[in-house]
Amino acid sequence: DTAVSQTPKYLVTQMGNDKSIKCEQNLGHDTMYWYKQDSKKFLKIMFSYNNKELIINETVPNRFSPKSPDKAHLNLHINSLELGDSAVYFCASSQAREGNIQYFGAGTRLSVL
Amino acid sequence: AQSVTQPDIHITVSEGASLELRCNYSYGATPYLFWYVQSPGQGLQLLLKYFSGDTLVQGIKGFEAEFKRSQSSFNLRKPSVHWSDAAEYFCAVGAPTGNTPLVFGKGTRLSVIA
Repeated sequence: DTAVSQTPKYLVTQMGNDKSIKCEQNLGHDTMYWYKQDSKKFLKIMFSYNNKELIINETVPNRFSPKSPDKAHLNLHINSLELGDSAVYFCASSQAREGNIQYFGAGTRLSVL
Repeated sequence: AQSVTQPDIHITVSEGASLELRCNYSYGATPYLFWYVQSPGQGLQLLLKYFSGDTLVQGIKGFEAEFKRSQSSFNLRKPSVHWSDAAEYFCAVGAPTGNTPLVFGKGTRLSVIA
């Protein structure tokens, strides 16, 4: 049973389209994150949610809208996709009592054409 | 501001040789420190972590890391590298106060040759 699962694994789309990536964790963690990994493999935080509440938004364009329907799910919707959005997006989760160890999903590779 | 520096972008080692990947961090206090590994097309897997106590920590797959406060370093080592260790390695720091995002270094790509 995968601890943090993301769908889809690959996403190829045209500029201007709207797309969503879904993430689910079955670890019972309170906090979930979205990270972006660029073409040079650099990982940077985008959003952080704790118990469904947005905690951190790292100056991400408002075309990106995370939604957490419950603490086990954190989805990422992207409007009006641009070429520069092409990246690998990782979902992660953590629990404070575990010392902030973050468990990552397998990633979603987004290619905007 | 927190930051992590991994000075080596790419390292090549022979199978069976020893390995050391460097990591330096900048943080106001003693952070939580992590090493993650990313195999091609995969997510990030935790290799090991340092929170407090013994400064030499053991991880999975035969890896270990040593925290040196005076040098703000947390270098990863393995005595004998296997071909399956070829991957991207990331050092990260996190706040010890709870659920906060990790700050990652830019990664070191490890290649293993026969």
